[in-house]
Amino acid sequence: DGGITQSPKYLFRKEGQNVTLSCEQNLNHDAMYWYRQDPGQGLRLIYYSQIVNDFQKGDIAEGYSVSREKKESFPLTVTSAQKNPTAFYLCASSGTTNEQFFGPGTRLTVL
Amino acid sequence: QKEVEQDPGPLSVPEGAIVSLNCTYSNSAFQYFMWYRQYSRKGPELLMYTYSSGNKEDGRFTAQVDKSSKYISLFIRDSQPSDSATYLCAMRAGGTSYGKLTFGQGTILTVHP
Repeated sequence: DGGITQSPKYLFRKEGQNVTLSCEQNLNHDAMYWYRQDPGQGLRLIYYSQIVNDFQKGDIAEGYSVSREKKESFPLTVTSAQKNPTAFYLCASSGTTNEQFFGPGTRLTVL
Repeated sequence: QKEVEQDPGPLSVPEGAIVSLNCTYSNSAFQYFMWYRQYSRKGPELLMYTYSSGNKEDGRFTAQVDKSSKYISLFIRDSQPSDSATYLCAMRAGGTSYGKLTFGQGTILTVHP
């Protein structure tokens, strides 16, 4: 099956910890994206990558970091510098048709 | 002012009703328009994708884009309880194949049997 997988589904973080969210796709898409969703708000872009070894900041990149070492993978690290990390995190990818397809999401909670 | 405005609802309708969901936007550079459906605690699912002005129909769903008014709509005919979800409009500028989407807040829809 082609698609986007995210893990873990639920993640709990203690204050001051860094955590890494996984995103993998087997759609052969060049571009990948990370969004954050808070209750009552739309999705906001954190980072995106158009090609391997290259990525750009989105609207709310502070306190986050990413890497793109492989076409299939785009992990997101939520650092201790992110002041309000509790949210639903969504990874997406797109190919030549411009349509973005989303993974199932990771719900991060700070304890 | 947000670039994309969407009435958050909630919207509650009886089964079989016609549902109209709407978004307005301020950025005239937007050329690609999308509607996503998101069930609770799941990732958004792409429903409709349109380029520039006009209508697009897919089964019970019709997407309309009016660029002159900066207004897009999604119509759902013969609504079903399984349509109960949050509907998100999204849009992006043209120019490249890749780039960020700007989302509305989402409208929560409930269809009662």
